[in-house]
Amino acid sequence: GAGVSQSPSNKVTEKGKDVELRCDPISGHTALYWYRQSLGQGLEFLIYFQGNSAPDKSGLPSDRFSAERTGGSVSTLTIQRTQQEDSAVYLCASSLEHKARDTQYFGPGTRLTVL
Amino acid sequence: GESVGLHLPTLSVQEGDNSIINCAYSNSASDYFIWYKQESGKGPQFIIDIRSNMDKRQGQRVTVLLNKTVKHLSLQIAATQPGDSAVYFCAEITPSGNTPLVFGKGTRLSVIA
Repeated sequence: GAGVSQSPSNKVTEKGKDVELRCDPISGHTALYWYRQSLGQGLEFLIYFQGNSAPDKSGLPSDRFSAERTGGSVSTLTIQRTQQEDSAVYLCASSLEHKARDTQYFGPGTRLTVL
Repeated sequence: GESVGLHLPTLSVQEGDNSIINCAYSNSASDYFIWYKQESGKGPQFIIDIRSNMDKRQGQRVTVLLNKTVKHLSLQIAATQPGDSAVYFCAEITPSGNTPLVFGKGTRLSVIA
């Protein structure tokens, strides 16, 4: 079946602009995660959604970052007033449920470049 | 704070040789560990996992070893192939299970043909 998909694959924007990154999880997966991966670094947790529960936003680096998940499926990560330090690959993952041992399946990521 | 880390950032291995990628963790409460493989331009892909009540687990050409005494995790790849070239991440999970995966920085494995 289809895996996690993300769009766009690449995004170049100017400092100060807003961007929206989209994630389509695997059908039937109730948990969805966003991570950020800077060059040469590991993955930094940003936010996760589990079903209809309130999202865990504990990893969002600033109030310029927000995410929503509509209808329990597609998610959008929004970065307002982008800064150069926001340049990174943004990865989305989904799992069947938010249980520690449910395998997270990752999408290919969106590479964001802020000029 | 406690974190997951890796001993070596890069590893070059001759094709056909065995590879060993190491990972140190400092959170003694972590009870579940995962290895991910990330090829260039792709998202991380699950390879193998291990629970803290085990010290060894084998998959296809891969073996994960866990030494809780020294908080050390390793991934062994047998008969390394060019397709194994990638960045490998270890990740840990604490018993609460509510925190997301905590990833180390990764080790880049380069296979020399």
